[in-house]
Amino acid sequence: QKEVEQNSGPLSVPEGAIASLNCTYSDRGSQSFFWYRQYSGKSPELIMSIYSNGDKEDGRFTAQLNKASQYVSLLIRDSQPSDSATYLCAGLKSGGGNKLTFGTGTQLKVEL
Amino acid sequence: GAVVSQHPSWVICKSGTSVKIECRSLDFQATTMFWYRQFPKQSLMLMATSNEGSKATYEQGVEKDKFLINHASLTLSTLTVTSAHPEDSSFYICSAATSGSSYGYTFGSGTRLTVV
Repeated sequence: QKEVEQNSGPLSVPEGAIASLNCTYSDRGSQSFFWYRQYSGKSPELIMSIYSNGDKEDGRFTAQLNKASQYVSLLIRDSQPSDSATYLCAGLKSGGGNKLTFGTGTQLKVEL
Repeated sequence: GAVVSQHPSWVICKSGTSVKIECRSLDFQATTMFWYRQFPKQSLMLMATSNEGSKATYEQGVEKDKFLINHASLTLSTLTVTSAHPEDSSFYICSAATSGSSYGYTFGSGTRLTVV
C-alpha cells in the first residue's frame, strides 16, 4: 500500500464548476499535508498546507483534513482553464526526517 | 516568501560526462535540501536529503557514487550526476527547508537533463 494515494485522473470539470481532488494516506504518523500544483514541464508550487482537522480556505481553494479517516482533499471553486494541471498531495511525518511523501498526482482538466 | 533558485534549467550532455546542478536558497538559510527526480507522467521520487555540513542521506536504490551531493553552505546544495547515461535523463528538482520547518517546502524550478 502506498503511503499517499491519489486517483491519477484525468478529472474533467467544466469552467466555473467545483473541482474536488482527494488523497488518502496510510501512515497515522503523518501530521502535516500539502497540496502542490504542477504544470507540465514545471516544478511543483505550493497551494496550501493543512495540519489540523477541518477546513482551511484560501481564496478559491479549500483544503480539508480528516485524520480519523486519513484523507485530505482540495476543493477548487470557480474552476478556470488555468487551473488545469496535476495536483500533488504530500504528507509530512513527524520525526520522519522532514521528508515529504508524495502521491502520484491527479490530473485536472478544466474545460471551456 | 522563500525562493529557491536552481540552475541550469536544462542541460544536454554526452554519455559518460558529468553534470552539476546547483540549488540555492535566496532569502533564507536552508539546513536541509532535498533532491528529487521525476520521469514523465510520474510523481516526484526523493533521491536524497542534503544536510549542511554533513553527508547526504540517500534513499534506497539511489547510487551515492553516481549522484554526488554537496551541501557546503546554508544556501547552496549541488547534485552532480557522474558518468551520465541516457537512462539518467530526467527532470531533477531540489527543494529546501529550514530546520524544523513544516510550512511546505519550496521547490526550485527544476533541471531537465538529457543525456545523448
